[in-house]
Amino acid sequence: DTEVTQTPKHLVMGMTNKKSLKCEQHMGHRAMYWYKQKAKKPPELMFVYSYEKLSINESVPSRFSPECPNSSLLNLHLHALQPEDSALYLCASSQEREGSYNEQFFGPGTRLTVL
Amino acid sequence: GENVEQHPSTLSVQEGDSAVIKCTYSDSASNYFPWYKQELGKGPQLIIDIRSNVGEKKDQRIAVTLNKTAKHFSLHITETQPEDSAVYFCAASIFSSNTGKLIFGQGTTLQVKP
Repeated sequence: DTEVTQTPKHLVMGMTNKKSLKCEQHMGHRAMYWYKQKAKKPPELMFVYSYEKLSINESVPSRFSPECPNSSLLNLHLHALQPEDSALYLCASSQEREGSYNEQFFGPGTRLTVL
Repeated sequence: GENVEQHPSTLSVQEGDSAVIKCTYSDSASNYFPWYKQELGKGPQLIIDIRSNVGEKKDQRIAVTLNKTAKHFSLHITETQPEDSAVYFCAASIFSSNTGKLIFGQGTTLQVKP
């Protein structure tokens, strides 16, 4: 199994809603990432989990809350989002071992629209 | 911090022609350079990468070259096909004790005309 899966594919939510994005990989990767991508722009790193611990938070607003329940799963909890948070949210994973160059494999993304 | 510049922003070629996309990076400590292809409505797909200990790498119609002295690297696609049409992103990374953070270029939209 060499893929990263994400659910849902599309999500529409109001500014007062609470929702969650889910990501799963079964490649034995120990690093997992959340990226945000706006149209015609490169992915922007949000969070990195390494061995199920948060290792990087790129100063993301607290309305985005990541969670890594185990080494295969990564969630992104959303609350009180703004319309400007509408974007494609990408999950990625990579090996995490000494000498690794961190080849990151991306999922298909969740297209989020905030009304 | 690291900065990656990518050119051109758009590239249109005739089917069968070659396409070249160039990137420059600023931090000489960067040691890993992947290229991603992103088709409409999909996530980025790793298509080839190169590490700082080699100068060139090929995989069928795709090749990447790295010039560490000049701090630039390029993607070469030969015999282009319509299915090569997509947005291509270069990236640079510095391996750390935690996780290598990818710094992306701004992307190149490649259109291959049949």
